[in-house]
Amino acid sequence: NAGVTQTPKFRVLKTGQSMTLLCAQDMNHEYMYWYRQDPGMGLRLIHYSVGEGTTAKGEVPDGYNVSRLKKQNFLLGLESAAPSQTSVYFCASSYRTGTITDTQYFGPGTRLTVL
Amino acid sequence: AQSVAQPEDQVNVAEGNPLTVKCTYSVSGNPYLFWYVQYPNRGLQFLLKYITGDNLVKGSYGFEAEFNKSQTSFHLKKPSALVSDSALYFCAVRGNYGQNFVFGPGTRLSVLP
Repeated sequence: NAGVTQTPKFRVLKTGQSMTLLCAQDMNHEYMYWYRQDPGMGLRLIHYSVGEGTTAKGEVPDGYNVSRLKKQNFLLGLESAAPSQTSVYFCASSYRTGTITDTQYFGPGTRLTVL
Repeated sequence: AQSVAQPEDQVNVAEGNPLTVKCTYSVSGNPYLFWYVQYPNRGLQFLLKYITGDNLVKGSYGFEAEFNKSQTSFHLKKPSALVSDSALYFCAVRGNYGQNFVFGPGTRLSVLP
């Protein structure tokens, strides 16, 4: 049971390049999330998904797109990277229990630098 | 709108002394409160949560937190700190109207030997 995994762990991009971050979970969780972590700002929600085939915008969605084609995977895409997207990106997942008290389980993070 | 404040960027405590990491929140409806810990170059790990019931919640690694509704606070505590507790601690809140989590900015705890 690997939990939540993220690939890649590190990436350096030039401004304007594109890339996709992959998140995978093996806990059969319904809900999945993408956050970015910046110093002094905590975690901010980019996009989330409440089930296969569904996605929704979070607090800071601009410049990002997501897809949830399979229940276990949640992809985060940057179409045209900007230096402001330099950050550490975390994926998380949680059960759907019919309540909203679900604990989130986090991946190890992807450190992205945009030059 | 939901918000979380962690008024201290850094908390220093000597090993063996009690520690407190502060958190205050603002949310619509009843709050669901969480504490997470992040060790260097790792993802966040769940410590404990308050949903309802007893205001004192016990969690992993000897940590506990006290929910105070009148002060809208959820401070994290431990009776005797360990050097291995040194990490970044995040408080998070969500309301009972289906909102997503909001995380505080984090407090860096340093336990000195």
